[in-house]
Amino acid sequence: AQTVTQSQPEMSVQEAETVTLSCTYDTSENNYYLFWYKQPPSRQMILVIRQEAYKQQNATENRFSVNFQKAAKSFSLKISDSQLGDTAMYFCASLTYNTDKLIFGTGTRLQVFP
Amino acid sequence: DTAVSQTPKYLVTQMGNDKSIKCEQNLGHDTMYWYKQDSKKFLKIMFSYNNKELIINETVPNRFSPKSPDKAHLNLHINSLELGDSAVYFCASSQDGGRGGGYTFGSGTRLTVV
Repeated sequence: AQTVTQSQPEMSVQEAETVTLSCTYDTSENNYYLFWYKQPPSRQMILVIRQEAYKQQNATENRFSVNFQKAAKSFSLKISDSQLGDTAMYFCASLTYNTDKLIFGTGTRLQVFP
Repeated sequence: DTAVSQTPKYLVTQMGNDKSIKCEQNLGHDTMYWYKQDSKKFLKIMFSYNNKELIINETVPNRFSPKSPDKAHLNLHINSLELGDSAVYFCASSQDGGRGGGYTFGSGTRLTVV
C-alpha cells in the first residue's frame, strides 16, 4: 500500500527564519515521484516542488528545498527566509508509476508570524 | 486563462437533492481527477478518467457518478445528497499520469448540505 505520513499537524516560524516540514512515505515500488503542495487560505492547491525518486540530488525551487532520504523514505521540505505569504497548509504527496494515483499526507498547517 | 476551472465555487443545497459540479481543463492533459477534501483537510482521490475512460474508481457511494464527455471535461454528479457529503471537491488534471509534472488542481467547490 502507498501511504504518506506528516507527523506535524501545525508549525510556526518567524518571518525570515527557516522551517522544515517532515514527511515520510511508504511504497513497495522503486519508481515514484514525491511532491509538496501548498494550500493557502484561498483554497487553491499549488505545486511547490517535486522530486523523482531515481534522482539522488535534492530538488530546489528558490527558497524551497527538499531533503530526500530514499532509504529512510523521508522527504522533508525546508523553507528558507520565510515570508508571511508562506502561511498555508502544506501537503506531502507521492505518485507511483503503477498506480498513477497521487496520495496525500494529512497536511501541516504553517503559520508565519512577523 | 484558468488552467483547470470548476463551477460552481460554492454550492449550498438541501439533503436529498441532486447536484452537479463541472470541471474543464485547457491544458491539453489526458487525465482528469476528482478529489474530496473533508473538514480535517484530508484529500482523498475519488475518480480518474483518461481520455474519457474511467481509470480509478475508489470506494465511494454509488450516489456519486463522474461523467466525461471529452478529455477536457469531467463532471461530478451527486444524487440524494447527505449531510456527510459536505466537503470541498477538487478537480485536477495531469499529463502522463502526473509523472514529473504532478497534477494541476482547480480552485475547488465547497459543497454544503443542510
